[in-house]
Amino acid sequence: GENVEQHPSTLSVQEGDSAVIKCTYSDSASNYFPWYKQELGKGPQLIIDIRSNVGEKKDQRIAVTLNKTAKHFSLHITETQPEDSAVYFCAASLDTGRRALTFGSGTRLQVQP
Amino acid sequence: DAGITQSPRYKITETGRQVTLMCHQTWSHSYMFWYRQDLGHGLRLIYYSAAADITDKGEVPDGYVVSRSKTENFPLTLESATRSQTSVYFCASSETDRGPYQPQHFGDGTRLSIL
Repeated sequence: GENVEQHPSTLSVQEGDSAVIKCTYSDSASNYFPWYKQELGKGPQLIIDIRSNVGEKKDQRIAVTLNKTAKHFSLHITETQPEDSAVYFCAASLDTGRRALTFGSGTRLQVQP
Repeated sequence: DAGITQSPRYKITETGRQVTLMCHQTWSHSYMFWYRQDLGHGLRLIYYSAAADITDKGEVPDGYVVSRSKTENFPLTLESATRSQTSVYFCASSETDRGPYQPQHFGDGTRLSIL
């Protein structure tokens, strides 16, 4: 089955700096890659996603890049703010009837004011 | 707009007891999922359902039972709870009628402790 590895497990940045979280996946057939943000006591919330026919996608301060050849994708957050502090999860999915996500182990991002 | 709700939010029980976690969604999404979240493991799929009366196993199904008699509900039952099932459980749902790349929407979880 699919395996997703995520790094780093913790990341601390100064407010205004950029943050980058990286994930690799094992199954070259995976074709959908969402990123979720999880705040304390809450469920994961989708913040951005990318499909395998796209190399990069941006949404304001958040961007995701995908390298299908190397089987890795990354989340980039620019101009970080204290409210960006949370746990971030990457995930990968196959376009099958199952449609389930395989998650990375998460990155705890702390933005220091 | 209630979305997806899980109940209870917190539960403490003893080993060997049966416990049922509830999940209800108001979107009429076809797909529903149960994940468990443990430190260092991210979220792992327990069971999923493509529609009412259609369920299938995920990555870690042992010790769990699901049913889906109505589209909006997807309860998860631990038939005889064990300490290793202490975890945070998340329910999610997604649409099917807009193509294959459908985001999953998560509830706020049930924190289950088994003593």
